[in-house]
Amino acid sequence: NAGVTQTPKFQVLKTGQSMTLQCAQDMNHEYMSWYRQDPGMGLRLIHYSVGAGITDQGEVPNGYNVSRSTTEDFPLRLLSAAPSQTSVYFCASSYSSVNTEAFFGQGTRLTVV
Amino acid sequence: GIQVEQSPPDLILQEGANSTLRCNFSDSVNNLQWFHQNPWGQLINLFYIPSGTKQNGRLSATTVATERYSLLYISSSQTTDSGVYFCAVPAPFNNNDMRFGAGTRLTVKP
Repeated sequence: NAGVTQTPKFQVLKTGQSMTLQCAQDMNHEYMSWYRQDPGMGLRLIHYSVGAGITDQGEVPNGYNVSRSTTEDFPLRLLSAAPSQTSVYFCASSYSSVNTEAFFGQGTRLTVV
Repeated sequence: GIQVEQSPPDLILQEGANSTLRCNFSDSVNNLQWFHQNPWGQLINLFYIPSGTKQNGRLSATTVATERYSLLYISSSQTTDSGVYFCAVPAPFNNNDMRFGAGTRLTVKP
């Protein structure tokens, strides 16, 4: 089973460039989310979605956009990358946001220079 | 917002030893999860435990929601237990927004 698949695993961007981090899950989960993890810190929620067509902001949404056109996919877009967005990004999915186990992707290590 | 504090921040054990990790949170919650991040960065869900006690092999967790803390017990630790352990609880009034503690970094030496 593939579970939650993130691509790419590593990426280096120049300041001002844009890119999309891909996230796909094959478990028919309604809830998907994006987190960033910075050194010495826990994960912080960027955006989340409770189903196709529905997205909302988390704790640190500035500089990121998301959309959810299908149940399977939840891409994260950086419109104009900044060095402060250097981080490890994790996508997660679960059947719902409560009472269920969360599954994480392998992470994307992004460096903005 | 809700504060999530984990202790200790770092823990070094000899293989075979037992340990207790603590997670304190500042508001009432109806959801708490424990995760393990292995040395390769992979995050694994250990427990969903809003209250009570659960056990899974050498690991067990207890949440006392009324006193706003949760404990993760690791018995007979193994080198493969090394990594960072996180607890997470929902932000107030939004179960969709999980807030993580800073984690406990566990190193188990052979």
